[in-house]
Amino acid sequence: GAGVSQTPSNKVTEKGKYVELRCDPISGHTALYWYRQSLGQGPEFLIYFQGTGAADDSGLPNDRFFAVRPEGSVSTLKIQRTERGDSAVYLCASSLNLGAQETQYFGPGTRLLVL
Amino acid sequence: GENVEQHPSTLSVQEGDSAVIKCTYSDSASNYFPWYKQELGKGPQLIIDIRSNVGEKKDQRIAVTLNKTAKHFSLHITETQPEDSAVYFCAANRDDKIIFGKGTRLHILP
Repeated sequence: GAGVSQTPSNKVTEKGKYVELRCDPISGHTALYWYRQSLGQGPEFLIYFQGTGAADDSGLPNDRFFAVRPEGSVSTLKIQRTERGDSAVYLCASSLNLGAQETQYFGPGTRLLVL
Repeated sequence: GENVEQHPSTLSVQEGDSAVIKCTYSDSASNYFPWYKQELGKGPQLIIDIRSNVGEKKDQRIAVTLNKTAKHFSLHITETQPEDSAVYFCAANRDDKIIFGKGTRLHILP
């Protein structure tokens, strides 16, 4: 079936605006992860879900960032009052089950640019 | 918490030669070490992984080694081809999370 998809592929916004980034995981995958990747860096963990619940949100940088997964499938990462430092590629990944040893399948990412 | 260091940051090798990327980790509790390949404009893709109960694993032209005592692990690519050009990330687990290194940009020279 289809892989992980993310929309939009690119997002340009102005400082102070609100943005939503969407992730569609592989069908049947119970675990979903969000990462942020800055230029020249590796993906940095933000949050992961097991089903509908956020099992670990310790990577969210501050309370402007929030993520939901209301039906245990699609997830939305929400960023309030965007800052220029939020500019990065936001990656989503899913795995069949939760666990570090489960293969994570990544989407292509959303490139966010905050002007 | 876990810290993963990776080097070199950039590596150029002649087509057909071997490439080696080295990583270290800090958390002795880590027991899973995946390697990802990321091509331009795409998300990372798992290419091989190794668990702490083995010292080496091979898949065609790719091999990984793990030294748990020294907290070192390495990726070896033999007979490199143009399509091997990409950014490679090593990673280690911290509980149910994956912590990534900063990446190695591999250039395969014709």
